[in-house]
Amino acid sequence: EAQVTQNPRYLITVTGKKLTVTCSQNMNHEYMSWYRQDPGLGLRQIYYSMNVEVTDKGDVPEGYKVSRKEKRNFPLILESPSPNQTSLYFCASSVTQANYGYTFGSGTRLTVV
Amino acid sequence: GQNIDQPTEMTATEGAIVQINCTYQTSGFNGLFWYQQHAGEAPTFLSYNVLDGLEEKGRFSSFLSRSKGYSYLLLKELQMKDSASYLCAVPYNAGNMLTFGGGTRLMVKP
Repeated sequence: EAQVTQNPRYLITVTGKKLTVTCSQNMNHEYMSWYRQDPGLGLRQIYYSMNVEVTDKGDVPEGYKVSRKEKRNFPLILESPSPNQTSLYFCASSVTQANYGYTFGSGTRLTVV
Repeated sequence: GQNIDQPTEMTATEGAIVQINCTYQTSGFNGLFWYQQHAGEAPTFLSYNVLDGLEEKGRFSSFLSRSKGYSYLLLKELQMKDSASYLCAVPYNAGNMLTFGGGTRLMVKP
């Protein structure tokens, strides 16, 4: 089944403790991206990757890092999480670019206390 | 920059028709997407319009007017399961990024 898999689905952590949210797709998509979704603000793009070793900032990249060492994986790293990063996170992939439409992962609900 | 406006909430009755509007401003138009998102779940693709006019897909249709920067999603024969948020989105930055509107929460009542 073609899908984007995120882990974990739920995570509660403490301020400053490094964490990684994994994202993997099995569709051989070149493009992958991370979004956060907050009430009243909608989905906002954090980072995106056009291909292996090619990443770029989205609209809200501060406090996040990403890597794309393999085509299928695109982890989101929070080196020092803060409470304002409490949010619902979605990973998405597309064939080559964002304008080909996304397949979204199931989401990761992160709480930073 | 990009700007997308949608109504925040709408309410409609089961079996009725509802139209959800979206206005946008973007440089270098690359089409417009509609996604459906049930509470706590991932968005799922509904439609993509790149040319003016109405595209029909079962109970859902989507309309685009590029000259007016305007789109709408039309849902016919509403069902309770259509209660969800509907997100309008436009690509920008040469199609490398996708920006979403805040979404319209639709509540379908019996």
